[in-house]
Amino acid sequence: NAGVTQTPKFRVLKTGQSMTLLCAQDMNHEYMYWYRQDPGMGLRLIHYSVGEGTTAKGEVPDGYNVSRLKKQNFLLGLESAAPSQTSVYFCASSLGGKAEQFFGPGTRLTVL
Amino acid sequence: GIQVEQSPPDLILQEGANSTLRCNFSDSVNNLQWFHQNPWGQLINLFYIPSGTKQNGRLSATTVATERYSLLYISSSQTTDSGVYFCAAPANSGYALNFGKGTSLLVTP
Repeated sequence: NAGVTQTPKFRVLKTGQSMTLLCAQDMNHEYMYWYRQDPGMGLRLIHYSVGEGTTAKGEVPDGYNVSRLKKQNFLLGLESAAPSQTSVYFCASSLGGKAEQFFGPGTRLTVL
Repeated sequence: GIQVEQSPPDLILQEGANSTLRCNFSDSVNNLQWFHQNPWGQLINLFYIPSGTKQNGRLSATTVATERYSLLYISSSQTTDSGVYFCAAPANSGYALNFGKGTSLLVTP
């Protein structure tokens, strides 16, 4: 039982490049989330999903897209990376909307 | 959305000391979580505590939902307790956890 896993752990991009972050969970959770954490701050929600095939915008969605083709996976895409997207990205999942959220180990992304 | 405020922002303790961290929130909640972010950046779930009191070893937490605050108690602190402690709660109308800015704890030998 691995919980929530994220790949890659680290990535460096140049401005304008694209990439996809993968989140996987093996807890059969319905809800999945992508957050970003910037220095000295708590986490802010980028996008979330309440079930397979559904996605919705969070607090800071601009510049990101997501897909939830399989229940256990939630992908976060950056189509044209910008230095402002340098951050640590966390994926989380929960059984329901108000249930306890469990977080992955994070992906540290640097955009030069 | 809901506002979450944590205090103190920074705390330095000597090993063996006890401490209390506070979390105030601006609206009623039906979910509140405490996390420990260790020096490697991992977010560790400590408590899911919408109301009442829970204990886990040297740590315990109490949420008084009617008064909109939660407390995290750390007893007999150890150097491995160092890191940042976050509380987070969702707005009643949403799913996102709204995080406080955290309490940065340093436990010295």
